[in-house]
Amino acid sequence: SAVISQKPSRDICQRGTSLTIQCQVDSQVTMMFWYRQQPGQSLTLIATANQGSEATYESGFVIDKFPISRPNLTFSTLTVSNMSPEDSSIYLCSVEGSGQVDNEQFFGPGTRLTVL
Amino acid sequence: GQNIDQPTEMTATEGAIVQINCTYQTSGFNGLFWYQQHAGEAPTFLSYNVLDGLEEKGRFSSFLSRSKGYSYLLLKELQMKDSASYLCAVRGVMGGYQKVTFGTGTKLQVIP
Repeated sequence: SAVISQKPSRDICQRGTSLTIQCQVDSQVTMMFWYRQQPGQSLTLIATANQGSEATYESGFVIDKFPISRPNLTFSTLTVSNMSPEDSSIYLCSVEGSGQVDNEQFFGPGTRLTVL
Repeated sequence: GQNIDQPTEMTATEGAIVQINCTYQTSGFNGLFWYQQHAGEAPTFLSYNVLDGLEEKGRFSSFLSRSKGYSYLLLKELQMKDSASYLCAVRGVMGGYQKVTFGTGTKLQVIP
């Protein structure tokens, strides 16, 4: 299994500013995933962060808005840039690992972001 | 692309059985997951099906029919703590690489 921590757990930010969310995993993993979960909604994949290469972004998400770093196999950051109230959401970091099945996804506790 | 449908909400009585359905369309199907998410918490893994049939694990069972693009999660002997959202997620191929797509989730309310 994988244990994932995220910082910060929550934040309240002003419109136009940026916030960087950190994700730390207790084991080395190839891919890390960043999701967004808006109130009452399911998980939407923002991007896949690969160590040593550019992140792969999903349709509707761009690097200028959500730059991602992946400096090593246990750590990643997601920045939410030039924030607006529409960015208010929970941001979750996830990895695939060997749990009850080989490709089970483990999730961090999430970062609850409120943009005023 | 990948498309997943599941009911938005369900209500069931404590001690009863409830079945949550999920239909999907995907390319390169490589497994279907069910996750449980309590309000304010991260999703946690419940079950995984990659072959047709029923997987049973205690009070929870999950069924898959790949030809029909259909799965269900069966919860028996419902308990109040089972009140949560249940997310169906499909692993398939998009844009040349494997990707897991989550459904919108079914919010289950267990009542006394």
